[in-house]
Amino acid sequence: EAQVTQNPRYLITVTGKKLTVTCSQNMNHEYMSWYRQDPGLGLRQIYYSMNVEVTDKGDVPEGYKVSRKEKRNFPLILESPSPNQTSLYFCASRREGGNTEAFFGQGTRLTVV
Amino acid sequence: AQKVTQAQTEISVVEKEDVTLDCVYETRDTTYYLFWYKQPPSGELVFLIRRNSFDEQNEISGRYSWNFQKSTSSFNFTITASQVVDSAVYFCALSEGWNSGGSNYKLTFGKGTLLTVNP
Repeated sequence: EAQVTQNPRYLITVTGKKLTVTCSQNMNHEYMSWYRQDPGLGLRQIYYSMNVEVTDKGDVPEGYKVSRKEKRNFPLILESPSPNQTSLYFCASRREGGNTEAFFGQGTRLTVV
Repeated sequence: AQKVTQAQTEISVVEKEDVTLDCVYETRDTTYYLFWYKQPPSGELVFLIRRNSFDEQNEISGRYSWNFQKSTSSFNFTITASQVVDSAVYFCALSEGWNSGGSNYKLTFGKGTLLTVNP
């Protein structure tokens, strides 16, 4: 079954404690990205990757890091989380090209206290 | 820059009513793609439809229909005979095309419309 898998689904952490949200896809997609969803703001792109070792900033990259060492994995790293990073996070993958649908993970609800 | 506007923040209807969700977009690309996604209360994002900028044919899928009008930059979504299970947040999104010159196949989302269908 084609899918994007994120872990964990829920996470409560404290300010400053480094964390990683994992994302893996089994569709051999070149393109992967991270979004955050906040009430009244919709989904905004954090980072994206066109392929292995190729990553770039999206619209709201501050406070986040990513890596793409393998095609299937695209982890999101928060080196020093802050309360304003409390949000619902989605990983997405799609085949190369703007005309393809994006497949989304189940979402990770992160709370930073 | 791309922009998607969903002016309706919340809509509440009674079951069996028809409801239309509005979506207006802005882009300088001549080739672009429009999408609708559904986010039920469980939180996942479910793909509903994709439309290419060069195909203005309307589409119907069961109780769902989509009206794409380039002249007004709109891509509206209608649910006929709504049901309680249609209650969700609906997002309209825009993606740039191959001729954009960029390499980020970003989906630009609207802020979403919360649809509540009451029994």
